[in-house]
Amino acid sequence: DAMVIQNPRYQVTQFGKPVTLSCSQTLNHNVMYWYQQKSSQAPKLLFHYYDKDFNNEADTPDNFQSRRPNTSFCFLDIRSPGLGDAAMYLCATSRGQGTLPQHFGDGTRLSIL
Amino acid sequence: RKEVEQDPGPFNVPEGATVAFNCTYSNSASQSFFWYRQDCRKEPKLLMSVYSSGNEDGRFTAQLNRASQYISLLIRDSKLSDSATYLCVVRGVGSSNTGKLIFGQGTTLQVKP
Repeated sequence: DAMVIQNPRYQVTQFGKPVTLSCSQTLNHNVMYWYQQKSSQAPKLLFHYYDKDFNNEADTPDNFQSRRPNTSFCFLDIRSPGLGDAAMYLCATSRGQGTLPQHFGDGTRLSIL
Repeated sequence: RKEVEQDPGPFNVPEGATVAFNCTYSNSASQSFFWYRQDCRKEPKLLMSVYSSGNEDGRFTAQLNRASQYISLLIRDSKLSDSATYLCVVRGVGSSNTGKLIFGQGTTLQVKP
């Protein structure tokens, strides 16, 4: 029944060890977003894809990359995770960039050892 | 000044109480507004969109005041299950913001028996 699916739900990695988080959607939405949410803070947009067009937020660190091989899948790659990257990572989708709301996945909680 | 501002609370209310949250936004050109609910360690879920004329969904009423640039959420007859963080969300406008959701920090509600 889930329409935006994130894997894994919990991810533990070592300081500096690359990690990839995945998101898939069954909604056939054009737009996919990645947010970072730290404890007691608002979700912060990292980047989004409108179809194949990648849109990076100005303050997203270079350490964070994304890939969208097809409509259904989008990946978040963290090249060299630091302790400050421990957070919940949320994937969301929307149909177009108009007025419609976004649908979120369950999130992946990333811990850094 | 933050683009979307909310009182983080927490608001502690007894069951059955009526509680209201306000949220202010800085960009007068904003057109789309939402309230999301986020349970502890879970993803945000759309509670309701906010329409210019105000709208109601069961015990929840959302209102928009464009002149003062604030949005409100009223919860009547609070239930224990209403305990959560309520995120005020504004969709960005302008060439660098189109489609982007801008989240407030969230207001935490605790409903006590």
